[in-house]
Amino acid sequence: EPEVTQTPSHQVTQMGQEVILRCVPISNHLYFYWYRQILGQKVEFLVSFYNNEISEKSEIFDDQFSVERPDGSNFTLKIRSTKLEDSAMYFCASSFRGNEQYFGPGTRLTVT
Amino acid sequence: GDSVTQMEGPVTLSEEAFLTINCTYTATGYPSLFWYVQYPGEGLQLLLKATKADDKGSNKGFEATYRKETTSFHLEKGSVQVSDSAVYFCALSASNDYKLSFGAGTTVTVRA
Repeated sequence: EPEVTQTPSHQVTQMGQEVILRCVPISNHLYFYWYRQILGQKVEFLVSFYNNEISEKSEIFDDQFSVERPDGSNFTLKIRSTKLEDSAMYFCASSFRGNEQYFGPGTRLTVT
Repeated sequence: GDSVTQMEGPVTLSEEAFLTINCTYTATGYPSLFWYVQYPGEGLQLLLKATKADDKGSNKGFEATYRKETTSFHLEKGSVQVSDSAVYFCALSASNDYKLSFGAGTTVTVRA
């Protein structure tokens, strides 16, 4: 069964450093998403991406964040200058039509 | 804005007990409703969904019915197993939107 994959599974970085989280969505899917879950809190929407552009973003997704689909398979989330409060589990998701989203296993980001 | 409220956990049950997790929502229009499950150490998996009023989603013995009159989408299973121990998330996507809004999650532990 096709699945969404994410790398790395755990990333530790120092405050102020740039990180790139990588995702490989399901191959025939057209919509891509990033969510995050701070420990003990709700899963929160960050951004959606369709047709090579951002279709929607939340207030959390400020200028420090960017997304890219550099080739036909990868979908990346970049945080330019990490803060302590960026520590969270980051989930990538993809869907064919937008309604039924399939999630990856997540990347745990720890900012020290 | 759109939001989902789930019953607080944790919930601890014995094997073969009946499970109900309450979920109510606030949304304009006709949202789609979902239940996702997160097993220990894994990502979010779509458990079931319903896209219009009175629809019943079902999967792996779990069921939930979209009740517009009570704005609810309660999850039920008649006889739980130890393998059902997980965190369960209720979520919605608005009728004109694809991003998911999640509830806080309910941790369910099933004892043998």
